[in-house]
Amino acid sequence: KAGVTQTPRYLIKTRGQQVTLSCSPISGHRSVSWYQQTPGQGLQFLFEYFSETQRNKGNFPGRFSGRQFSNSRSEMNVSTLELGDSALYLCASRTGGLAEQYFGPGTRLTVT
Amino acid sequence: DQQVKQNSPSLSVQEGRISILNCDYTNSMFDYFLWYKKYPAEGPTFLISISSIKDKNEDGRFTVFLNKSAKHLSLHIVPSQPGDSAVYFCAASEGLGGSQGNLIFGKGTKLSVKP
Repeated sequence: KAGVTQTPRYLIKTRGQQVTLSCSPISGHRSVSWYQQTPGQGLQFLFEYFSETQRNKGNFPGRFSGRQFSNSRSEMNVSTLELGDSALYLCASRTGGLAEQYFGPGTRLTVT
Repeated sequence: DQQVKQNSPSLSVQEGRISILNCDYTNSMFDYFLWYKKYPAEGPTFLISISSIKDKNEDGRFTVFLNKSAKHLSLHIVPSQPGDSAVYFCAASEGLGGSQGNLIFGKGTKLSVKP
């Protein structure tokens, strides 16, 4: 089975711009979660989608949003980018009932 | 306030010996615990997990121990190999069987296995 894929792998944006990141889960996995990893805060949960519905949300401002499509692919969007949004954004998928999540390689976002 | 803590930022072990990575948690609602390994420029790789109803789970060279009363878990790697050198993250999940999709991660422990 192919693993979780994320595009793009690297991205450079300017403060104030917006960005959209994409994630394709493992085939058959209907749940997709997003995480932000920074040196200071570590790995932090952003949100989880299951069957196109947001099921859980972390403690991030409303500038961070996401969605899931009928084929389980997911996108996350960050609007009005700030320097502090520079991070590795990780997507993870799982089957609906199990706790084990499988991560993609991440998208490295740099905001200048 | 950190709910999952890995108090050792780094650990150095000789090849062939045992590596023991520790993790403490504060939230008694956590029902499932997982360990991940991460290499630079890659996403975390799932290693092993344990439910709160168990106190031990083994998979090959990896064993996870859970002490619920102490709110402590540990990952044992025996024997350690140079390829095990990576950052190891402890994670926890609420809900029955860890059904909640939001994993809470520790800050990680960097393991170096020397030949």
